Amino acid sequence: KQEVTQIPAALSVPEGENLVLNCSFTDSAIYNLQWFRQDPGKGLTSLLLIQSSQREQTSGRLNASLDKSSGRSTLYIAASQPGDSATYLCAVSLFTTSGTYKYIFGTGTRLKVLA
Amino acid sequence: SQTIHQWPATLVQPVGSPLSLECTVEGTSNPNLYWYRQAAGRGLQLLFYSVGIGQISSEVPQNLSASRPQDRQFILSSKKLLLSDSGFYLCAWRYSGGADTQYFGPGTRLTVL
Repeated sequence: KQEVTQIPAALSVPEGENLVLNCSFTDSAIYNLQWFRQDPGKGLTSLLLIQSSQREQTSGRLNASLDKSSGRSTLYIAASQPGDSATYLCAVSLFTTSGTYKYIFGTGTRLKVLA
Repeated sequence: SQTIHQWPATLVQPVGSPLSLECTVEGTSNPNLYWYRQAAGRGLQLLFYSVGIGQISSEVPQNLSASRPQDRQFILSSKKLLLSDSGFYLCAWRYSGGADTQYFGPGTRLTVL
C-alpha cells in the first residue's frame, strides 16, 4: 500500500530564507508526483508536476526534484515571502484497474513565513 | 475554460441525518472525477473516483456513497451521518487519458453535531 509522508509537519521561517520541504513515498511505481498549495479553508492549487521520467521541474522561485528510486521528492522555495504561507501537499499518482489514475496525498507541511 | 463547482460551501447537520454534496464541472467532456475528505489537521483521503457515468470506484469502506448521474456531475451521499463524517470535502477533476494534474473545487465544510 502506497504511503506518502511529509516532513516537517510545520515550519516557521523569517522572510527571505530559502527552504526545503520533503516528501517520501513507499512504492516507487508512480506515474507522476505533484506539489500543491492549500490556503486555509480553500481548495488545492497545483504548483509543480514531475513526470516519473523527469528529475525536476521549476516554476519561478519553486523547484521540485524527484528521486523515484529512493522514493523522495523535495520542494525548494527560494527567497520566501509572507505570501508563501500556506499548507504544501505532495501527491503521487498511481494507475488503477479502472483505467484512470488515483492520487495519494501526504499529510502536508504547514508553512508560515514571518515578515 | 473549465470550472468546477461545489455546493453547498458549508453545511451543519445533526447525527443520523442524510447528506448530499454536489460537484459539477463545466467546459470539458468525460472528465475523471474524484471525491476527497480532509479531516482536521490531516491530509486528503481519497474516497471515490469515477471514469464515466455510473462508474464508481470506492477507496475506503465507510458510511458514504457516490454517484455520477451525468457526465459532469458527481454526488456524494450518506443515509445517516456520523460524527466522524465531519471534515472538508473536496471534489476534483482531470482530463481522461494521460497522468496530468487534477483541478480542485472550492470544497464543502461539513460539521456533524
